[in-house]
Amino acid sequence: GESVGLHLPTLSVQEGDNSIINCAYSNSASDYFIWYKQESGKGPQFIIDIRSNMDKRQGQRVTVLLNKTVKHLSLQIAATQPGDSAVYFCAENIKSGYSTLTFGKGTMLLVSP
Amino acid sequence: NAGVTQTPKFRVLKTGQSMTLLCAQDMNHEYMYWYRQDPGMGLRLIHYSVGEGTTAKGEVPDGYNVSRLKKQNFLLGLESAAPSQTSVYFCASKDEMIETYHQETQYFGPGTRLLVL
Repeated sequence: GESVGLHLPTLSVQEGDNSIINCAYSNSASDYFIWYKQESGKGPQFIIDIRSNMDKRQGQRVTVLLNKTVKHLSLQIAATQPGDSAVYFCAENIKSGYSTLTFGKGTMLLVSP
Repeated sequence: NAGVTQTPKFRVLKTGQSMTLLCAQDMNHEYMYWYRQDPGMGLRLIHYSVGEGTTAKGEVPDGYNVSRLKKQNFLLGLESAAPSQTSVYFCASKDEMIETYHQETQYFGPGTRLLVL
């Protein structure tokens, strides 16, 4: 079946660098996407979301880009800090009567001081 | 607000034993979800509920049962635990589908670590 996937399982960066985490989705019916951050031993925490009628959305130090042509989603983190070290998941929602999310496997971001 | 809480935080079971995981939310959310997370994998949906008294199967429902007798609580039951059910279980909740931007955002609890021997 169709699923959400990630290109890089682990991303290592230096503090201060910009980080880019990628996600591929294959379901053309998906109309909403979310990025979650999960720190060790904790539950996923909402970072930012985007609807399919947009191609870019910005938050505090984070930007999500959506390319529907190639079914690609990315999360950009500016000036990465050690506190950004975590696993990042993308998730997609296929618009239906009852809302469920399909999660990717996650990318671990390691930030070195 | 406490948000989404889960009890217990950690539990060890022997094969064949039963237990119930409790999820509670104080945000008056209509939708609640149970996921399991295994090493190197994303979150997989077990069961979910779209309102008090309703439940539905997710991606991996076998071996689990759920109940939503009260709007704020969502219980996940294991009738006869198996080692394959060793995992971290997360509960989440979401507001009903209203015309606001964050309507699909699910809010997660801290998780329950379950070890089945």
